[in-house]
Amino acid sequence: GESVGLHLPTLSVQEGDNSIINCAYSNSASDYFIWYKQESGKGPQFIIDIRSNMDKRQGQRVTVLLNKTVKHLSLQIAATQPGDSAVYFCAGGSRTGSYQLTFGKGTKLSVIP
Amino acid sequence: GAVVSQHPSWVICKSGTSVKIECRSLDFQATTMFWYRQFPKQSLMLMATSNEGSKATYEQGVEKDKFLINHASLTLSTLTVTSAHPEDSSFYICSARRQGGGETQYFGPGTRLLVL
Repeated sequence: GESVGLHLPTLSVQEGDNSIINCAYSNSASDYFIWYKQESGKGPQFIIDIRSNMDKRQGQRVTVLLNKTVKHLSLQIAATQPGDSAVYFCAGGSRTGSYQLTFGKGTKLSVIP
Repeated sequence: GAVVSQHPSWVICKSGTSVKIECRSLDFQATTMFWYRQFPKQSLMLMATSNEGSKATYEQGVEKDKFLINHASLTLSTLTVTSAHPEDSSFYICSARRQGGGETQYFGPGTRLLVL
């Protein structure tokens, strides 16, 4: 079955620095990926997504990179702010079928003021 | 747009009782709703997929008779935890996929269940 995992469980960065959160996936059938941010006691919040026919997508202060060759994606956060402190999950899914998502384990990002 | 609500936000119940959790898409119609469970410091685990007007599809290991799901309309799905036990204590989160709106799932704020 599919598994989506993260390389680093925790990440501490200085305020203003860039953050990079990594994720690996195993199911080649996954054709889209989503990054979510989850603050303590809250539901996941959509950040950015990318389809498998792309290798890069940019949003406001965030960039997602997808490397299908090695089944790896990353989330880059520019000029990290204290409000970015949260747990970040990557999730993969397939548009053929029920659109179920498989979530990675999560990376806790702590921003040092 | 794409706001999903859950009610209640937290609930405490006695062992053996049943608890119903509601999930509503407030500003869109949801073809599909999903129910997840999340234990402390762990990831989200999909419990079931719910399509409006049809029976839910449960993931392996999730008891359908214990976790009753009803998706009666395009904006409401309910999860009922029957005969709850302390091991059912968890954070239950629903998500909704917009009708005709692609693959993105929008998540509710979650419901914290504590079974005593």
